[in-house]
Amino acid sequence: DGGITQSPKYLFRKEGQNVTLSCEQNLNHDAMYWYRQDPGQGLRLIYYSQIVNDFQKGDIAEGYSVSREKKESFPLTVTSAQKNPTAFYLCASTVGRNSNQPQHFGDGTRLSIL
Amino acid sequence: GNSVTQMEGPVTLSEEAFLTINCTYTATGYPSLFWYVQYPGEGLQLLLKATKADDKGSNKGFEATYRKETTSFHLEKGSVQVSDSAVYFCALSQAGTALIFGKGTTLSVSS
Repeated sequence: DGGITQSPKYLFRKEGQNVTLSCEQNLNHDAMYWYRQDPGQGLRLIYYSQIVNDFQKGDIAEGYSVSREKKESFPLTVTSAQKNPTAFYLCASTVGRNSNQPQHFGDGTRLSIL
Repeated sequence: GNSVTQMEGPVTLSEEAFLTINCTYTATGYPSLFWYVQYPGEGLQLLLKATKADDKGSNKGFEATYRKETTSFHLEKGSVQVSDSAVYFCALSQAGTALIFGKGTTLSVSS
């Protein structure tokens, strides 16, 4: 079955540590996205990528970094510069630039501070 | 800029009650509109969508009509079930950009 796989499901970060969240899709989608979800705030866009080797900052990119070396993979690194990383992180993908196509979501990674 | 406003929750209903969750949007041009549902501990699933004015999206008994004149996309269901308890997000997309989400509305249905 095609879909988006996020791992790990739960992740704990120590102070000063960088952590990387994995997102892999086998849908052959061009565009991939990372969102952060906090209670009562909906989803906010961190980074997105519409083609391999290219990505753009979203609304809350500070303290995060991404790479897009392969079409199927879009890992997110939460750096030590992100002072409030505790949140639910969701990865999504869609076919391409056509706004009629919905985004498909992974099951998320919950990140907490130790 | 583009934005989505949803009614604040939580919405608490008894089984078989009628559901309406209001959603209005601000956008230039003609965005595509979506409703997503999130069950506890999971990602978002597409519930329904509409891509042009007067389109009606429907799925699993839920419906929403794209109203250009009132810039609205209200979600309705005639008879809710306990299994419908979840968080519902209204969203819009335009010109291939990332989705813009409302803040979500929590629905709780009791038997």
